[in-house]
Amino acid sequence: NAGVTQTPKFQVLKTGQSMTLQCAQDMNHNSMYWYRQDPGMGLRLIYYSASEGTTDKGEVPNGYNVSRLNKREFSLRLESAAPSQTSVYFCACRDPLTEAFFGQGTRLTVV
Amino acid sequence: DAKTTQPTSMDCAEGRAANLPCNHSTISGNEYVYWYRQIHSQGPQYIIHGLKNNETNEMASLIITEDRKSSTLILPHATLRDTAVYYCIVRAFTGGGNKLTFGTGTQLKVEL
Repeated sequence: NAGVTQTPKFQVLKTGQSMTLQCAQDMNHNSMYWYRQDPGMGLRLIYYSASEGTTDKGEVPNGYNVSRLNKREFSLRLESAAPSQTSVYFCACRDPLTEAFFGQGTRLTVV
Repeated sequence: DAKTTQPTSMDCAEGRAANLPCNHSTISGNEYVYWYRQIHSQGPQYIIHGLKNNETNEMASLIITEDRKSSTLILPHATLRDTAVYYCIVRAFTGGGNKLTFGTGTQLKVEL
């Protein structure tokens, strides 16, 4: 039981490049979330998905797009990476009767 | 979701109880208090949650005041491995689609 798996774990991008962060959960949870965490800061919600086929903006959605591919997978896309998007990205899932489970993070550097 | 206020940082001696306060004066009747912690930039980890009664599990105890406007997370015998950022979150226990937002939390440092 892997829980929440994020790929890749580390990534370096050049400004203007695009990439997709992948998240998959094997817990059969309906809701999934993407957060970013800058050094010394708390987690900020980028986007979330209440269920397959739905997505909603969080606190800091600008510069990002998401896709809820199916119940298991929720991807985060940076179309044109900027240095301000250098951060650690966390994916999470939860259901109404459970707590949230987090992945181990993707450390992204944009140079 | 109700806003929470936590101290920025706290210190605790190893083996002593760590008491982490959280103020949530605007909490609604259907909102629960959740605690998570994040150890050294790992993904946050759930600790405990409660509505109005005190709760205890293998990790911690949660004490919620009678008016529910504040709560305290208690780590009864803190160890060095409990050094982490602790987040108090208040949210309704309804639906899977609610936003789950974190504040800045309390940095707990456990020292010898």
